[in-house]
Amino acid sequence: EPEVTQTPSHQVTQMGQEVILRCVPISNHLYFYWYRQILGQKVEFLVSFYNNEISEKSEIFDDQFSVERPDGSNFTLKIRSTKLEDSAMYFCASSPAMNYGYTFGSGTRLTVV
Amino acid sequence: QQQVKQSPQSLIVQKGGISIINCAYENTAFDYFPWYQQFPGKGPALLIAIRPDVSEKKEGRFTISFNKSAKQFSLHIMDSQPGDSATYFCAARGATGNQFYFGTGTSLTVIP
Repeated sequence: EPEVTQTPSHQVTQMGQEVILRCVPISNHLYFYWYRQILGQKVEFLVSFYNNEISEKSEIFDDQFSVERPDGSNFTLKIRSTKLEDSAMYFCASSPAMNYGYTFGSGTRLTVV
Repeated sequence: QQQVKQSPQSLIVQKGGISIINCAYENTAFDYFPWYQQFPGKGPALLIAIRPDVSEKKEGRFTISFNKSAKQFSLHIMDSQPGDSATYFCAARGATGNQFYFGTGTSLTVIP
């Protein structure tokens, strides 16, 4: 069964540093998403991406965040200057069309110290 | 503002019993309601989903009941098994179709 692959599985970074979280969506999917889950809390939407541009973003997705699809397979989330409160599990997801449910990756646990 | 409210926060069920998790929403523009199952260290996995023009959907032991007038929907797990022990999230898709609003999750434990 096709999977969404995320790397690394765990990233520890110092406050103020830049991090890039990487995702390889399912190959024939066209819509890409980032969500995050702070430990023990609900899954929160960050951003959706289609046709090489952001289609929607949440209030959480401020100027410190950016997304990019640098080639035909990768989809990245960059946090420019990490804060302690950015510590969370970050999930990438993809879907073949807007009216379909997502396939989530296994997540990257980001710890900011 | 919490778009989707989920209850209970945790649930313990005997093997073979019925697990019931409830969700309520406010926004009548929501048009797709999935349930996700999440095991520790894994991403949420789509379990079953329903659209608001249907009152019930069944897939194996899993059933969604949907009450459009009450703006509520629930997940029923029949003949619950220890392997069903996981966190379950309900979700609702926003009007733009670009994002889902998740409930706060229910930790289900099925006791052998």
